[in-house]
Amino acid sequence: AQKVTQAQTEISVVEKEDVTLDCVYETRDTTYYLFWYKQPPSGELVFLIRRNSFDEQNEISGRYSWNFQKSTSSFNFTITASQVVDSAVYFCALILNSGGYQKVTFGTGTKLQVIP
Amino acid sequence: DAGVIQSPRHEVTEMGQEVTLRCKPISGHDYLFWYRQTMMRGLELLIYFNNNVPIDDSGMPEDRFSAKMPNASFSTLKIQPSEPRDSAVYFCASSDFGDSDEQYFGPGTRLTVT
Repeated sequence: AQKVTQAQTEISVVEKEDVTLDCVYETRDTTYYLFWYKQPPSGELVFLIRRNSFDEQNEISGRYSWNFQKSTSSFNFTITASQVVDSAVYFCALILNSGGYQKVTFGTGTKLQVIP
Repeated sequence: DAGVIQSPRHEVTEMGQEVTLRCKPISGHDYLFWYRQTMMRGLELLIYFNNNVPIDDSGMPEDRFSAKMPNASFSTLKIQPSEPRDSAVYFCASSDFGDSDEQYFGPGTRLTVT
């Protein structure tokens, strides 16, 4: 069975602070994809990043960075110098794709509030 | 491409009425997903289609829910009869198997059943 755990339900930080959102996943498959999505107060789901199980390289995109560690089954997301516009719910997701059959599991989300 | 299109954006209906939600996926995408989001249960996958064929409907809560995809550019999620506990935001998403498996989400339909 697949599982995605986002243990942090809500996080509040003051603007310009760095913040890390945790994501721990469980799967027995060796091929899988991990995603982060952002859901701002307006409600839409915005894709942030995709990582496949064979690529453990960390990634940086502007103020965003992701740390993928297979050894700990974690795919954590860090926002550097947070801004009010970063306030949103962030979802981590695990997708298995085997011969066209997809198994999709979303975490419960972490609500980030950036206080000005 | 205009992205995933959902209609209506908001729907208010009375308990017992039939509700139909509509989705137009991104052209060329061969997967279509229906999700439901509530405060209590978070984001739940209800059903998904591959090349218009339902593959996994294990997330559909009960027989009152049904989904169809008559062609590659259109899908519906129907609730009959609707109940107050069906109130939620329903998202449709599409993806391309040959690409990155990234799911592109529509704006959602906010359903309120009174």
